[in-house]
Amino acid sequence: EIVLTQSPATLSLSPGERATLSCRASQSVSSYLAWYQQKPGQAPRLLIYDASNRATGIPARFSGSGSGTDFTLTISSLEPEDFAVYYCQQRSNWPSWTFGQGTKVEIK
Amino acid sequence: QVQLVQSGAEVKKPGASVKVSCKASGYTFTGYYMHWVRQAPGQGLEWMGRINPNSGGTNYAQKFQGRVTMTRDTSISTAYMELSRLRSDDTAVYYCARDLGVVPAAINYMDVWGKGTTVTVSS
Repeated sequence: EIVLTQSPATLSLSPGERATLSCRASQSVSSYLAWYQQKPGQAPRLLIYDASNRATGIPARFSGSGSGTDFTLTISSLEPEDFAVYYCQQRSNWPSWTFGQGTKVEIK
Repeated sequence: QVQLVQSGAEVKKPGASVKVSCKASGYTFTGYYMHWVRQAPGQGLEWMGRINPNSGGTNYAQKFQGRVTMTRDTSISTAYMELSRLRSDDTAVYYCARDLGVVPAAINYMDVWGKGTTVTVSS
């Protein structure tokens, strides 16, 4: 099973600041990685797929990069609605898709 | 609009089974794989498996093999997930989620999610 390790566990930032979240895979997943946002009491929302493609309706302040084992989600300027938990997910290892443990972005 | 409506919360005793439903609307039900993902209280996300609503074909995570059964009823655009031999650590919110890709080319990312069904396993 491919293990995804996200860091940091918690990121404390202010609105308007830049957020950089990391996801590291235990083995290469090529570019087969997605990012989701989850707010309390809500289902996850797909933000980025295949490492760098924004899903439909996702604002341009969200961007993804990376390949192989190291991936980054960047939020260029945090809006109040961006404070949430973010998960990465790989689809490389058939049929065992796994998620990271999450990074919480909280208001400083 | 595209939406997935899940059945209501369940409370079950250890050893029992639970069956969660997920009714799709706003799109062609048979055109997209349906995944099931669960989330234990305060924990992360765990993929359980997927079903091809067109063929009924399924793939399950190894962890749940032998305990989970995913089915569908195309006449009412509804997918089901049944988990048997429940344990206390099966207490979680169970989500259905539509695949991003179009059958037969599943992409295995999830772009539309239900609101979740809380399953509590307690004696």
